[in-house]
Amino acid sequence: QVQLQESGPGLVKPSETLSLTCTVSGGSISSYYWSWIRQPPGKGLEWIGYIYYSGSTNYNPSLKSRVTISVDTSKNQFSLKLSSVTAADTAVYYCAKTGIAAAADRPYYYYYYMDVWGKGTTVTVSS
Amino acid sequence: DIQMTQSPSSLSASVGDRVTITCRASQSISSYLNWYQQKPGKAPKLLIYAASSLQSGVPSRFSGSGSGTDFTLTISSLQPEDFATYYCQQSYSTLRFTFGPGTKVDIK
Repeated sequence: QVQLQESGPGLVKPSETLSLTCTVSGGSISSYYWSWIRQPPGKGLEWIGYIYYSGSTNYNPSLKSRVTISVDTSKNQFSLKLSSVTAADTAVYYCAKTGIAAAADRPYYYYYYMDVWGKGTTVTVSS
Repeated sequence: DIQMTQSPSSLSASVGDRVTITCRASQSISSYLNWYQQKPGKAPKLLIYAASSLQSGVPSRFSGSGSGTDFTLTISSLQPEDFATYYCQQSYSTLRFTFGPGTKVDIK
């Protein structure tokens, strides 16, 4: 049973870089896609981006200029860096395993879904 | 960008009620639609993927339907543990996955 655990500083100063790590246990990171999602206090969910174990990435265009997601297969971990943070980046950050299934309607297309989530970690941006 | 809307934004229901939540996409997304349940202080949980496929371990009282732009999540007989917020999410555009704003289901 795959489990995920986020870790990293709970407080980041404005203009600095937020850095989080997600440790995967109970399975190998060397398959599937791996996502980061965040949820500001009292608000909905926002997808940040995903990485494939090979290192290929896909980022939310609204965050793309500030986001880097990387993977370390030797440690079974993947990481998130978000630069130049402001108070608007205050949120609970979740990592999630992202499964895929072959699409019924389009060849070579896949359904993506976040099927295993970490418990989340709260990051506050404040001086 | 594909925008997702949900209705209602909240509803009150009783144990045993049949509950239906609607999700609408701003353009056709075929069946690239997932449903999640989130309880306060907890991570979301996947219920349905590909519009109508029940995730392993999810009770059969949950079902999803729809294709194109209009989708529904149905709880056939609401249970006490089902009071939560439900989100839809599209994966048709792999450039940007987007979530709906959520529907909160609480006790009448």
